[in-house]
Order: sequence, then structure tokens, then C-alpha cells
Amino acid sequence: DQQVKQNSPSLSVQEGRISILNCDYTNSMFDYFLWYKKYPAEGPTFLISISSIKDKNEDGRFTVFLNKSAKHLSLHIVPSQPGDSAVYFCAAKAGNMLTFGGGTRLMVKP
Amino acid sequence: NAGVTQTPKFRVLKTGQSMTLLCAQDMNHEYMYWYRQDPGMGLRLIHYSVGEGTTAKGEVPDGYNVSRLKKQNFLLGLESAAPSQTSVYFCASSPFLRQQYFGPGTRLTVT
Repeated sequence: DQQVKQNSPSLSVQEGRISILNCDYTNSMFDYFLWYKKYPAEGPTFLISISSIKDKNEDGRFTVFLNKSAKHLSLHIVPSQPGDSAVYFCAAKAGNMLTFGGGTRLMVKP
Repeated sequence: NAGVTQTPKFRVLKTGQSMTLLCAQDMNHEYMYWYRQDPGMGLRLIHYSVGEGTTAKGEVPDGYNVSRLKKQNFLLGLESAAPSQTSVYFCASSPFLRQQYFGPGTRLTVT
């Protein structure tokens, strides 16, 4: 059973608008959450993270929100740019390991 | 500073053959990881290492072995390849138990 789920396999957004990517988890032991971005034929690259003791973390155009009671994580990108088109993975840490969601493909249309 | 590199980039194996994937990092990181990525499954942890000479099992370790004889290298071995091991393999390293830095991946096909 997947402990980290990204229920939307794809998302299409107009340039300049907000992109919201969602992630749900089931394991209460997760204490740190991360978002990674992946372009084709490349390895994932780190975007932004949040500790379980916080509910929001912001870095430029990227904001991550954590709702612990709902076990829900979201990534907001505003404004969205065509270069943001990629696959986004959420990941959650427990102990020495990260557990990844299945990914959401974001397409930002000019 | 090359970061994390993986060798080879592509490989085709026949069922039953063996091979070793090499991961190297030049950032002096303690932690290193091997993942596989399959469509719709995200990245799944195969094995990891918390320091030179140590290894541990991840989520999907069966059919794989690893070694960390030097701090900068983490080797992933397939002793007898199976078609189910067709995947893209990513190596990662991290200085602590949070952000991981990934290599470019190795695409392996087992026929």
C-alpha cells in the first residue's frame, strides 16, 4: 500500500496562473517533507521542503503547505512559467528513508 | 565539482546475466541511496548506506546487492537479472537525513 500518494497524474495550467500540486500520506511517523522536480532524462532536483512542525514554507515562486491533521501536502507555484513543465514528486522522510509519491506531470502552456 | 555521477547511462542485459552499476559523488556526503523508478510508481528505495562500510535494505531490496567500500562510491549489483528489473535506476547522496542530490540515472533493460 502506497504511503505517499499523488492522485493527479497530470495537471495543465496557463502561464502566469497558479499551479497547485497535491500529495497525501498515511504514515504519522513522517517528520519531514520534500518536493522534487524532474525533467526527462535527468535525475530529480530538490525544490523545497518543510518540517512537520511547520505548516508553510516559502521560497520565491514556490510555497509548500502542510496540513498534518489531514495528512496532506501541497505545492503552489505562482506565477507558473513554461520552464516549470516537468514531473513533480513529493517525498516524506521517516528514519533514514524517503518515500516518494508517484509523481504529477505539470504542463504550463504559454 | 561533478556532483553525483552514474555509470553506465544505458545497458541491455539478457535474463540471468549479472552487472554492476557504479555511483560516485564528490561532495563528501555520508549518505548514499539507490532507487528504481517505474511508471506511475515514483522512486522506490532499493538499498542505502549511512557511511563507508555500511549498507541497509530499503523498500525493494530483493534481487540486488550493494557495497560501499569507499565513501565516495556506492555500487549496485544484479547477480541474475530478471525482466522485472527493467527500470531506470537513480543514485543519490546527502550530507544529512534530508535533501538528497540525484545522479542522471541508468536505464536498464532486461530481455
